Amino acid sequence: KAGVTQTPRYLIKTRGQQVTLSCSPISGHRSVSWYQQTPGQGLQFLFEYFSETQRNKGNFPGRFSGRQFSNSRSEMNVSTLELGDSALYLCASSLTGESYEQYFGPGTRLTVT
Amino acid sequence: DAKTTQPPSMDCAEGRAANLPCNHSTISGNEYVYWYRQIHSQGPQYIIHGLKNNETNEMASLIITEDRKSSTLILPHATLRDTAVYYCIVRVYGSSNTGKLIFGQGTTLQVKP
Repeated sequence: KAGVTQTPRYLIKTRGQQVTLSCSPISGHRSVSWYQQTPGQGLQFLFEYFSETQRNKGNFPGRFSGRQFSNSRSEMNVSTLELGDSALYLCASSLTGESYEQYFGPGTRLTVT
Repeated sequence: DAKTTQPPSMDCAEGRAANLPCNHSTISGNEYVYWYRQIHSQGPQYIIHGLKNNETNEMASLIITEDRKSSTLILPHATLRDTAVYYCIVRVYGSSNTGKLIFGQGTTLQVKP
């Protein structure tokens, strides 16, 4: 079974731009969660989607948004990029979101200049 | 979710058992203990979880004290590939916490030849 895939793997953007990251969950998994990882703050939960609905949300500004499609693939968008948005963005999939195990993708490394 | 406390770093000799402690003194009765690890530049990987009984799988063993205030992850025969950051997470299983893991700073385990 293929694992969680994320595209692109690396991205360089300029302040003020927007960016869209993509995540394809493991086949059959309906929950997708997104995390931001920075050296200073560690791994922080952004939001979770299940059946195309956002069910849970972390403490991030409205510039961070996401969506999920009917095939469970998910995208997250960051608008008006700031230097502090430079991070590794990870997505994780699980069967239901209430599952014990989450399976993480390799992440997208975003650099904002 | 209850907070966890882990030592920031530990060393282990290759081939020996690695015992990683975690303190979760405020854990409540319906909270599970999870362990994940993150090898450099990869997404976190689920290892094991438990409620109150000791658990073992092909990767590791989880020993939870009788009062559930602390636990130990045991890697029975550590290899160089086990060098990673290990996260102990306490989480309520169920719809109140869908898709969300709260990561602390973890323990950096260095396995040495």
